[in-house]
Amino acid sequence: GESVGLHLPTLSVQEGDNSIINCAYSNSASDYFIWYKQESGKGPQFIIDIRSNMDKRQGQRVTVLLNKTVKHLSLQIAATQPGDSAVYFCAERNEKLTFGTGTRLTIIP
Amino acid sequence: KAGVTQTPRYLIKTRGQQVTLSCSPISGHRSVSWYQQTPGQGLQFLFEYFSETQRNKGNFPGRFSGRQFSNSRSEMNVSTLELGDSALYLCASSLGDQTGGGGPQHFGDGTRLSIL
Repeated sequence: GESVGLHLPTLSVQEGDNSIINCAYSNSASDYFIWYKQESGKGPQFIIDIRSNMDKRQGQRVTVLLNKTVKHLSLQIAATQPGDSAVYFCAERNEKLTFGTGTRLTIIP
Repeated sequence: KAGVTQTPRYLIKTRGQQVTLSCSPISGHRSVSWYQQTPGQGLQFLFEYFSETQRNKGNFPGRFSGRQFSNSRSEMNVSTLELGDSALYLCASSLGDQTGGGGPQHFGDGTRLSIL
């Protein structure tokens, strides 16, 4: 069955450092992956996406890496800022979107 | 461009009642999906509508239903409410022009439903 898991439920990073959030997925038929950021009291906010025919995609301060061999997805955030503190979800999409359990990222000033 | 709008933001109901939640998608988006978010189960897919037709459905009982109007606005209905239905209900819209694709989904801030 489908399942999307995250390696760590919490992650604390010093302000200015880079952070890496990892995610494992199990559905090899999924061809599209998304990272979302959710702040308290708000809905998930789209960060970056990647299709299965790519292994890397970069945005502003964020990079998503996809390793289909081991079914692993990661989100790298460069030069973290206090505003990056949130819960981060990975999601895989086949016919529907399946979310991981989330990683709470805390930026230490 | 306005984002996804959900109303109401907060709702309190009692067991046995029914509730209707509303979602206005981003202009031009034809796909609307609904999710339930709880601390214990996380984000769970309820259903997706595209061009007024339900395209996908999650594993929720028949008490949960929805519909989409010709202007892509969507409503979700839950009948015979149970305590376990207390959750944040999120709506997301996307272009949805192809099954399994159609661009990323963009979420509203949800309706917080509390059942007493």
